[in-house]
Amino acid sequence: NAGVTQTPKFQVLKTGQSMTLQCAQDMNHEYMSWYRQDPGMGLRLIHYSVGAGITDQGEVPNGYNVSRSTTEDFPLRLLSAAPSQTSVYFCASSQDRRKQYFGPGTRLTVL
Amino acid sequence: AQSVTQLDSQVPVFEEAPVELRCNYSSSVSVYLFWYVQYPNQGLQLLLKYLSGSTLVKGINGFEAEFNKSQTSFHLRKPSVHISDTAEYFCAVINTGNQFYFGTGTSLTVIP
Repeated sequence: NAGVTQTPKFQVLKTGQSMTLQCAQDMNHEYMSWYRQDPGMGLRLIHYSVGAGITDQGEVPNGYNVSRSTTEDFPLRLLSAAPSQTSVYFCASSQDRRKQYFGPGTRLTVL
Repeated sequence: AQSVTQLDSQVPVFEEAPVELRCNYSSSVSVYLFWYVQYPNQGLQLLLKYLSGSTLVKGINGFEAEFNKSQTSFHLRKPSVHISDTAEYFCAVINTGNQFYFGTGTSLTVIP
């Protein structure tokens, strides 16, 4: 199993550009989540999904969109990037609530 | 709502000394509690978790944590640290929903 994979590993955007962060898992997990990690603030939940076709907002959803058309994939979209979205983004998946598997992260810089 | 407080942002400790990383949570309902470790430029790995049962939980790499309901704490301990334990440690809680709440992290630095 590859576990949870994220692409790209690094990305630099200009303000106003759009992009999609990719996340995929091959463990057939129902639950998938997106977090952002900022210095001194820990990890904050952006959006999560409890299964294909079902998504919900987390703690900091503004400026981000998600969809879950398949069990394996959970992309995160930035429609109009802002410098405040400079962060490290982690995707995670789990079969139940007791253990999450994290991807290696995407480091995003918005200029 | 749940929240997690990690009282120490940075903890320096000499090699082979004991260490305790503190975590307090607030919740009005039963929760599951977790400690994760993040090595530089990597994702998070689960160290240990408390779901129910014994309040003393043992995890990987010699770490253990004790759930104290009356003090709403879940402190992480290791009796003798190694250089390789240098990392960021996160305490987290999940409630009956499916949202994890993470603390702000404690940076553990082991000094040779």
